[in-house]
Amino acid sequence: EIVLTQSPDFQSVTPGEKVTITCRASLSIGSSLHWYQQKPDQSPKLLIKYASQSISGVPSRFSGSGSGTDFTLTINSLETEDAAAYYCHQSVGFPHTFGQGTKLEIK
Amino acid sequence: QVQLVQSGAEVKKPGASVKISCEASGYTFTSYYMHWVRQAPGQGLEWMGIIDPSSGSTTYAQKIQHRVTMTRDTSTSTVSMELSSLRSEDTAVYYCARDSAPVTSDYYYGMGVWGQGTTVTVSS
Repeated sequence: EIVLTQSPDFQSVTPGEKVTITCRASLSIGSSLHWYQQKPDQSPKLLIKYASQSISGVPSRFSGSGSGTDFTLTINSLETEDAAAYYCHQSVGFPHTFGQGTKLEIK
Repeated sequence: QVQLVQSGAEVKKPGASVKISCEASGYTFTSYYMHWVRQAPGQGLEWMGIIDPSSGSTTYAQKIQHRVTMTRDTSTSTVSMELSSLRSEDTAVYYCARDSAPVTSDYYYGMGVWGQGTTVTVSS
């Protein structure tokens, strides 16, 4: 099973800041890494697919990068509505797995 | 619009089974893979398995493979997930989620459409 480890687990940030969340895979997964946002009491929402491909309707301040074992989700100029948990997900093999999540709190 | 609507909340006793349905609309049901994902209270996301609605072929997470069955009904565009021998650790919100990849793809593109979630509570 491929283990995804996110960092940090929690971050308190100020609106306007740039935020970086990392996801490290226990094996190389190419670019088969996707990012989700989950707000309280809501279903997750796909933000980025295949490490860096944007999703229609997702604000351009969200971007992704990386390949192999190290991946990054970047949020430029954080907005208050970005308070949420963020998860990475690998789909290169079964079982698919998720990172443990990163909770963003807005100061 | 593309939509997944799940069945309602369930309360079950330990040892019982639960079956959750997920009705798809707004797209060709047999064209896209469907995942099931669960989330225990205050915890992260856990992948449970995937079904190819065109063939009915499934792959399950090893942790639950002996207790889970995923099926599809093409006449009603519905996928279902049944979990048996329930235990307290199965208390969670269960989601169906459509992959962005068509079933003709060898790859998976991320879960682009999610159901609203179904809460399952296992308690004596």
